[in-house]
Amino acid sequence: SYDLTQPPSVSVSPGQTASITCSSDSLSRQFSYWYQQKPGLAPRILIYKDTERASTTPARFSGSTAGTVVTLTISEVQAEDEADYYCLSGDSNGNWVFGGGTRLTV
Amino acid sequence: QAHLVQSGAEVKKPGASVRVSCKASGYTFTFFSIAWVRQAPGQGLEWMGWISPSSGRVHFAQTFQGRLTLTADTSSKSVFMNLESLRFDDSATYFCARLGGEAAMDVWGPGTTVTVSS
Repeated sequence: SYDLTQPPSVSVSPGQTASITCSSDSLSRQFSYWYQQKPGLAPRILIYKDTERASTTPARFSGSTAGTVVTLTISEVQAEDEADYYCLSGDSNGNWVFGGGTRLTV
Repeated sequence: QAHLVQSGAEVKKPGASVRVSCKASGYTFTFFSIAWVRQAPGQGLEWMGWISPSSGRVHFAQTFQGRLTLTADTSSKSVFMNLESLRFDDSATYFCARLGGEAAMDVWGPGTTVTVSS
């Protein structure tokens, strides 16, 4: 198995840009996915296949990749973006792994 | 619109088993697998395993092999998760999620809280 490493917390002021990273050697070979989770709710897909926005994802959310690091970027952060964010990746054997999660404070 | 509904909260004693159901609607049930993910209080997400309702094929995270059983009933469009030999640290919210499209786990159930208490 492998680990996906995320920073535990990121803090940003409203209107600024937030960047949340997820790193693992496996990310150079496998797609990444990003989820947002608010307290008491199920996770919600934001980004799939590294850079594709889900149909309900606001345009201020974007995903990028650079080798073994993938990044979720939130432009013009709003108060409602305060949540936990998780990256996810799978392997060719059918296993899936979540990153440890990043708490975004606005 | 795809939707997953889960069974209600459970309280179990250590050593017991728990069964949680996940009922799908709004899409062709056999076209996607169902994954199970759990989240202990205040902790992150942990993938447990998945099942393909069309073939019955299952795949488990190593952590749960031997304790986790997943089954599917295509007539009721439901998947069932059974976790045995419960321990205090199995207390968590258990989520089912649709798996297999481009967006990996794209539709999630609301979660089922399982509490293990003596």
